[in-house]
Order: sequence, then C-alpha cells, then structure tokens
Amino acid sequence: DARVTQTPRHKVTEMGQEVTMRCQPILGHNTVFWYRQTMMQGLELLAYFRNRAPLDDSGMPKDRFSAEMPDATLATLKIQPSEPRDSAVYFCASGFSPGIMNTEAFFGQGTRLTVV
Amino acid sequence: AQTVTQSQPEMSVQEAETVTLSCTYDTSESNYYLFWYKQPPSRQMILVIRQEAYKQQNATENRFSVNFQKAAKSFSLKISDSQLGDTAMYFCAFPAHNDMRFGAGTRLTVKP
Repeated sequence: DARVTQTPRHKVTEMGQEVTMRCQPILGHNTVFWYRQTMMQGLELLAYFRNRAPLDDSGMPKDRFSAEMPDATLATLKIQPSEPRDSAVYFCASGFSPGIMNTEAFFGQGTRLTVV
Repeated sequence: AQTVTQSQPEMSVQEAETVTLSCTYDTSESNYYLFWYKQPPSRQMILVIRQEAYKQQNATENRFSVNFQKAAKSFSLKISDSQLGDTAMYFCAFPAHNDMRFGAGTRLTVKP
C-alpha cells in the first residue's frame, strides 16, 4: 500500500531550536508539496518541488525556513530558529504530474509541531 | 493568481440525507483538474473525488458526486445518504503549474 511517510508525527521543541521534518514521497511520484495548516490560515503552500527541483517556495519565510530534496526518496523541511508562531501541522504531499498541470496530491499524516 | 473560495464555513445534515458543499475558483487556464479532499478528526487528508475540466460528464464516486459548471467556475460536492463517518472538514482544491491551492474548508457535521 503506497503512502507518503512523514516523520516525526509529533514534535515539541523550545523556541530557538532547530526542527527538521522529513518526508518520503510515494515511489515514482515526481512532485512534492509542503503545506502548513493552522486554524487561522488554513492550508498554506510552503514549497513545491518537481523532479526534485524547487519551483516555488514563495510561501515560505526565507529567513528561517528551508526545504530540500537531497534525493527522490527524501524531502526535508527545516526551521531554524523555531518560534512559537511556527506551531502548526505540517503536511507533505506527493503526486505524479506528466504534464505542466498538477494532478492529485497524496498526503502524509502530518507532523504536529509545538514550539514552546 | 488562482483562487479557490468555499463560502460555507460550517454545515450540518441529518444522517441519510443529502448535502451539497459549494466551491468556486478563478483561473485563466482551459484545461485543469479539480479535487475535493476530506479531512476527518484524524487529520489525514483523503482524496474524495476528482474532475477533469475537459470532461463534460460530472464525476461520481459512490455516494459522492460533483456538479461542475465550467463557465461559472463552480465545483460543488454532493454527498448522498450521509453517514456519520462523513463528518469532517472538506476542502476544494485547484492545482496549477507550480502549486495546488485549497479553499478555506467547510466543516460538515452529520447528525444521527
């Protein structure tokens, strides 16, 4: 049963600490999305990769957030330094898009981050 | 820029009845997909149904169907014979070249 795997599922950290969230996309998928979900802002797109290349990270605070895909089986989202306002659920999603337009995204179970 | 609007923050329906969730979007593209996702309390995002814009026929998946009006840029989700397990947040999603935009969501409660 192919699925997107995210680790950790939960993370509690102190303000100022570095946080790294990991995602294993579904094998064969060529697109990866990172989303942040909060009650106030809903689902916000943070970063988008196609064929491992970052195509859009305009939704990501550049001073503290970074997203990478070191290989096709791993995507990472890093926050350094973390702040209480970063507390949210972070989702990774992957999909296969043969053309320009994206098709459906399959979501991981999310990482619930709490920064105290 | 593409936008997705869900104008109903909350809705409720009696078990076994039918409910329709609304979604409108804005795009200059001619061919695209549209999706409805369900997020139950477990927070897992689950794809419910997809529609391809070039297809005239409305998509159907068991009790879930859509009413796709391309000219009006409207994409509503109809849930027939509502079940308690349908209680969840429902998101309309529109994928573009470099992103997939989600609406703000509709919280649906199915009452016994």
